[in-house]
Amino acid sequence: EPEVTQTPSHQVTQMGQEVILRCVPISNHLYFYWYRQILGQKVEFLVSFYNNEISEKSEIFDDQFSVERPDGSNFTLKIRSTKLEDSAMYFCASSGLAGEGYEQYFGPGTRLTVT
Amino acid sequence: RKEVEQDPGPFNVPEGATVAFNCTYSNSASQSFFWYRQDCRKEPKLLMSVYSSGNEDGRFTAQLNRASQYISLLIRDSKLSDSATYLCVVNSRAGTALIFGKGTTLSVSS
Repeated sequence: EPEVTQTPSHQVTQMGQEVILRCVPISNHLYFYWYRQILGQKVEFLVSFYNNEISEKSEIFDDQFSVERPDGSNFTLKIRSTKLEDSAMYFCASSGLAGEGYEQYFGPGTRLTVT
Repeated sequence: RKEVEQDPGPFNVPEGATVAFNCTYSNSASQSFFWYRQDCRKEPKLLMSVYSSGNEDGRFTAQLNRASQYISLLIRDSKLSDSATYLCVVNSRAGTALIFGKGTTLSVSS
């Protein structure tokens, strides 16, 4: 069964450093997403990406964040200058076309710890 | 007003019990509805989509009431492996943000 993969599983970084989180979405999916979940809180939407551009973003997704699809398989989330409050689980998700359903499938996540 | 509200629980039930979770959503333009399951420190996993006519998948039954903006999940014959947090999720259209509730925690004991 196809699945979303993410690397690394855990990233520890110092405040102010740049991090890049990587995802490989399900191969025939066209919509890609990043969500985050701070410990003990609900899953929150960050950004969606379609046809090589951002299609929607939340208030959380400020100028410190960027996304990229550098090749035909990877989808990345970059945080330019990490803050303590960026510590969270970051989940990548992907979904197919509208006619194939709205279901989004999630990767196992990257736990980001900012010290 | 919170967009998706759920009773946080926890619900502690014995094996074999029937348990029901409720959820309300505030955006009347929501088009798609889901229940996801999340184990501790793991990713949300799609349990089932929720259709207007209601739908069933084995021991799981989901209902939707668009007029009341209310979604439910019924689990029959609970198993130990059903212990998890159940997330109510809504979506306005394909390719857009999923809006999550905080989840309801279920603990099934033997």
